[in-house]
Amino acid sequence: ETGVTQSPTHLIKTRGQQVTLRCSSQSGHNTVSWYQQALGQGPQFIFQYYREEENGRGNFPPRFSGLQFPNYSSELNVNALELDDSALYLCASSWTGGGYTFGSGTRLTVV
Amino acid sequence: LAKTTQPISMDSYEGQEVNITCSHNNIATNDYITWYQQFPSQGPRFIIQGYKTKVTNEVASLFIPADRKSSTLSLPRVSLSDTAVYYCLVGDYGQNFVFGPGTRLSVLP
Repeated sequence: ETGVTQSPTHLIKTRGQQVTLRCSSQSGHNTVSWYQQALGQGPQFIFQYYREEENGRGNFPPRFSGLQFPNYSSELNVNALELDDSALYLCASSWTGGGYTFGSGTRLTVV
Repeated sequence: LAKTTQPISMDSYEGQEVNITCSHNNIATNDYITWYQQFPSQGPRFIIQGYKTKVTNEVASLFIPADRKSSTLSLPRVSLSDTAVYYCLVGDYGQNFVFGPGTRLSVLP
């Protein structure tokens, strides 16, 4: 059984650029959630996808968007990057009615 | 989603038992209580989950009183490697967890 894998592990982008982060869900998991974790804070919920449809969203602007693919892998896209977008981005997958398994995250630095 | 309150930080020594208490006064009937552990620059890792009374696994115990308005995570005989942030989360399956700042546990030699 494989866990949740995220890529890349680290990324540096310039303000105003766009970024795509990727997540491969744990085998058998059909739901994926994305979280943003600033340094020293708890993870903040961005959105969740279930069967390729967004079915929940936190307090994040529309420039944060996502996709879930038929194989349940997922992407997080962030447009017009701002300095405050620098954070650890976490992907978590689960199966219906089950708990979450988190990946190790992607550390994004916006300069 | 039920809000949780837990201590910001705790210190302990190796070999001691650590108890971290979490308050969740407005927990709903369908909510479960879940604890996660997080090391720096890693994703949270599931520790234990319960609904009522006591749950025990190979790494921790979870005590939940009858009114379910609080819960206590118990870590027996902690070691230096247990130094981490511990999050108490309350929610139903399918809900997205609202993370607070967690409890930063420091285990000293």
